[in-house]
Amino acid sequence: EPEVTQTPSHQVTQMGQEVILRCVPISNHLYFYWYRQILGQKVEFLVSFYNNEISEKSEIFDDQFSVERPDGSNFTLKIRSTKLEDSAMYFCASEAGSNQPQHFGDGTRLSIL
Amino acid sequence: KNEVEQSPQNLTAQEGEFITINCSYSVGISALHWLQQHPGGGIVSLFMLSSGKKKHGRLIATINIQEKHSSLHITASHPRDSAVYICAVGYSNYQLIWGAGTKLIIKP
Repeated sequence: EPEVTQTPSHQVTQMGQEVILRCVPISNHLYFYWYRQILGQKVEFLVSFYNNEISEKSEIFDDQFSVERPDGSNFTLKIRSTKLEDSAMYFCASEAGSNQPQHFGDGTRLSIL
Repeated sequence: KNEVEQSPQNLTAQEGEFITINCSYSVGISALHWLQQHPGGGIVSLFMLSSGKKKHGRLIATINIQEKHSSLHITASHPRDSAVYICAVGYSNYQLIWGAGTKLIIKP
């Protein structure tokens, strides 16, 4: 069964550095998402992406964050000037069509030191 | 603002017991999702429903739109069902609002 893959599984970065989290969604899916889960807390929506543009973003997704689908397969989340509070598990998800189930990657654990 | 409340927060049961996890939300939604998160962190979508009832194996999900309430049931529970079960609601085309999850432990 096709799956969403995320790399790396764990990223350790110094505060202030930029990180890029990578996701390869399921190939025929149209909608793409990033979520964040701080340790011990709820999963939080960050951003959705459709038709090569952001369709919706949360208050968390400020100018520090950006997303890109550079080559039609990868879907990346860039976090500039990382802060300690960016430490979390980041999940990517993709969806075949509107109101279809989302398929999740295994997540990238981001640790900011 | 849409809030999603789950109960109980934690549930420990013996193998074979019938399990019910509840979810309530505060405003009208387009769909409700039940998801399972394993100890390693991976998330799997179990159900997406906007009305009625769905069944998959030993799992049953129901939703009452008028009461803004959904339940997830597990019949003949097994230790491998131990996980965090999360309710999430979609009230726009894209954004999901997630509950805090119910941590389920099934003892052999």
